[in-house]
Amino acid sequence: QVLLEQTGAAVKRPGSSVKVSCKTSGGTFTHAISWVRQVPGQGLEWVGGVHPLFGTPRYAPKFQDRVTITADETTATATMELNSLTLTDTAVYYCAREGWELPILENWGQGTLVTVSS
Amino acid sequence: DIQLTQSPSFLSASIGDRVTITCRASQGIANYLAWYHQAPGKAPNLLIYTASTLQRGVPSRFSGSGSGTEFTLTISSLQPEDFGTYYCQQLDGYPRTFGQGTKLQIK
Repeated sequence: QVLLEQTGAAVKRPGSSVKVSCKTSGGTFTHAISWVRQVPGQGLEWVGGVHPLFGTPRYAPKFQDRVTITADETTATATMELNSLTLTDTAVYYCAREGWELPILENWGQGTLVTVSS
Repeated sequence: DIQLTQSPSFLSASIGDRVTITCRASQGIANYLAWYHQAPGKAPNLLIYTASTLQRGVPSRFSGSGSGTEFTLTISSLQPEDFGTYYCQQLDGYPRTFGQGTKLQIK
């Protein structure tokens, strides 16, 4: 059974950065990992993703300038760092493991609430 | 970006009802579409991919159809655990995009 375990909730100041990690267990770390966020009361929004084997991350244009997504094969952990936080970045951030052949989001982490507050 | 528009945005139905949700894409995406269900306070759960393939472990009352720009998700006989929000997602290009969601309430 594949499990994705994310780091805990964080409270950040506007202008700062946040790192959220996602450790995979119970399966191989050979599938792409996507990050999806959900602002309270709103829908799902794809932030970006990375394939541990093929390296180059892909980002949604909205986040392109301030997000970095990496994958570490040695620890089976993917990490998302979001910079220049504003109040509107308050959201639950999910990591999700994609399928082998299709970018379907088969397994999800539990979500990490990031609160941006002054 | 490929835009996905779901209809309706809100839906109220009774246990045992047949329910249909539509997802329209702003351009043709063949059958590269997935459906997810999100229960309140939980992470989304994959139901269907490539428009009509049922994910392992998903009950057979769920079905999907469509190709190109119009897709449907059908629940043949609504169960209490089916309430929550349903999202479609296109798998055809970057950035990956989701529909705005359909909130299903049980009457």
